[in-house]
Amino acid sequence: DTEVTQTPKHLVMGMTNKKSLKCEQHMGHRAMYWYKQKAKKPPELMFVYSYEKLSINESVPSRFSPECPNSSLLNLHLHALQPEDSALYLCASSHGSGSFNEQFFGPGTRLTVL
Amino acid sequence: TQLLEQSPQFLSIQEGENLTVYCNSSSVFSSLQWYRQEPGEGPVLLVTVVTGGEVKKLKRLTFQFGDARKDSSLHITAAQPGDTGLYLCAPRENTGFQKLVFGTGTRLLVSP
Repeated sequence: DTEVTQTPKHLVMGMTNKKSLKCEQHMGHRAMYWYKQKAKKPPELMFVYSYEKLSINESVPSRFSPECPNSSLLNLHLHALQPEDSALYLCASSHGSGSFNEQFFGPGTRLTVL
Repeated sequence: TQLLEQSPQFLSIQEGENLTVYCNSSSVFSSLQWYRQEPGEGPVLLVTVVTGGEVKKLKRLTFQFGDARKDSSLHITAAQPGDTGLYLCAPRENTGFQKLVFGTGTRLLVSP
């Protein structure tokens, strides 16, 4: 199984809502990532978890809160988002550290903030 | 990590044509990866180039890493509609190994 799954596929939320994005992999990967991708732009790294611990936070606003309940799951909790946060949110995983480690991406959750 | 500039930003061609996409930086990298992102999907790794001057082929795709390891190119021969997508280069460092910082991207559209 070389698949990273993400749910939901689409999400529309108001600025006062609280929602969560979910990501799952069963490849035994120990590193998991969240990226944000705006239209016609490359993905931008948000967070990295390594062995279930947050290792990189790219100065992401606190209205985005990541969580890694176990080695297979990665969540992104959303609260009080702004319309400019509308984007495609991609999850990825890799075997571990190391500069050649291939990252496997999920299909993303397309988020619209009204 | 410096953002890599890719050119062209957008390319629209007919099936059967050849094309080259460039990825340039003023920094030296230990290695570089190319990804392709198809509409509605996440990026997928195509290749990793490591040695200066290295050339790798993947069917109709030819990847080259510059001699000085500052730039790379992707050449597609006889493009097909299935090649349509966003092509992204990403430098890899020996340090900060977990960070994947993509280049500016080249959007390719191949029409039948």
